Amino acid sequence: GAGVSQSPSNKVTEKGKDVELRCDPISGHTALYWYRQSLGQGLEFLIYFQGNSAPDKSGLPSDRFSAERTGGSVSTLTIQRTQQEDSAVYLCASSLVQGAYNEQFFGPGTRLTVL
Amino acid sequence: DAKTTQPNSMESNEEEPVHLPCNHSTISGTDYIHWYRQLPSQGPEYVIHGLTSNVNNRMASLAIAEDRKSSTLILHRATLRDAAVYYCILSGHQTGANNLFFGTGTRLTVIP
Repeated sequence: GAGVSQSPSNKVTEKGKDVELRCDPISGHTALYWYRQSLGQGLEFLIYFQGNSAPDKSGLPSDRFSAERTGGSVSTLTIQRTQQEDSAVYLCASSLVQGAYNEQFFGPGTRLTVL
Repeated sequence: DAKTTQPNSMESNEEEPVHLPCNHSTISGTDYIHWYRQLPSQGPEYVIHGLTSNVNNRMASLAIAEDRKSSTLILHRATLRDAAVYYCILSGHQTGANNLFFGTGTRLTVIP
């Protein structure tokens, strides 16, 4: 079956521009996560959605970052007024349900480069 | 975030077993131990997880110490495709079940 997909795979933008990154989770997965990974680093949690519950935004680094999940499926991560330090690979993952033991399935990521 | 400690890097010869260690001395009783790996230019993929008992699946085995303060991921016969960064992660009600805390992991190099 189809896995988690993300688009675009690569995005180059100029400092100060807004960008939108898209994630299509596995069909039927109620939990969706966004992470980012800077070069040579581990993953940094950004935001988490579970069903119709309020998202856990505790990992968002600033108010320039926001995300939404429409209809409990597709999610968009928006970064406003991008800065060079936003350059990273942005990874989306989904799991069947939320829980400490549930496997997360990751997409291939979007590589964002801010010039 | 509950911390895990892993060696930065390890090497293994192809077709030999690999034992990847992880220390998690602050683990709580409800924390699960997860292992994920990340191949070059890909997102992480699940390998295995466990709570108290040793676990086996098609990819690997997970050996958990009796006091649960450490665990070892075992790849029975390393192949070149196993070259990746391996992450040992705790997830539970106390560590925050809403996300997985990825450290820097262990970079495994497989030598032909």
